[in-house]
Amino acid sequence: DAKTTQPPSMDCAEGRAANLPCNHSTISGNEYVYWYRQIHSQGPQYIIHGLKNNETNEMASLIITEDRKSSTLILPHATLRDTAVYYCIVQKWSGGYQKVTFGTGTKLQVIP
Amino acid sequence: EAQVTQNPRYLITVTGKKLTVTCSQNMNHEYMSWYRQDPGLGLRQIYYSMNVEVTDKGDVPEGYKVSRKEKRNFPLILESPSPNQTSLYFCASSWQRPDSPLHFGNGTRLTVT
Repeated sequence: DAKTTQPPSMDCAEGRAANLPCNHSTISGNEYVYWYRQIHSQGPQYIIHGLKNNETNEMASLIITEDRKSSTLILPHATLRDTAVYYCIVQKWSGGYQKVTFGTGTKLQVIP
Repeated sequence: EAQVTQNPRYLITVTGKKLTVTCSQNMNHEYMSWYRQDPGLGLRQIYYSMNVEVTDKGDVPEGYKVSRKEKRNFPLILESPSPNQTSLYFCASSWQRPDSPLHFGNGTRLTVT
């Protein structure tokens, strides 16, 4: 399964866009890119996912490069409540999910 | 309300005393999984289940057992807990569909002395 690489930490000013990068250079054709976030020690929360196309929902946008080797999660107007650890993972679909591996994520600090 | 429920939220026990952490989901999800989270190590998968009576090891299965006798429940069993199993544990579930995200419980903080 593809592994992901994320910077360990980032800062973002409140009200500005937060752009969180993720490298998944070994991703294969049947693997989806998912983003989750974890606030304090709560259970991780789903944000967005995509396969090839860029995606947008009420929480964020996901930009996937054409070669699918990297992606960026965009929080358009970061607030203090967006301070969290953000996980980028790839979930392989081969007739069913098996192992789903998380890394250590990016700790985003939104600064007033 | 759709949810994954773990119990207990906090548990302090002693080495060697068997314990079970329960996980239940009300979404009829086929896939369920257990993770542990330790400082600096992120979330590591312990076991997962693709459906009833189908379970397999994740990345850190040593010292744990699971069972999946019914679709909604996926208990995590520590037959002889040790201090290195002190951790924050999360249960998760999802549909077996390519566009289905994981839904996580609120966690169980286990301390083994």
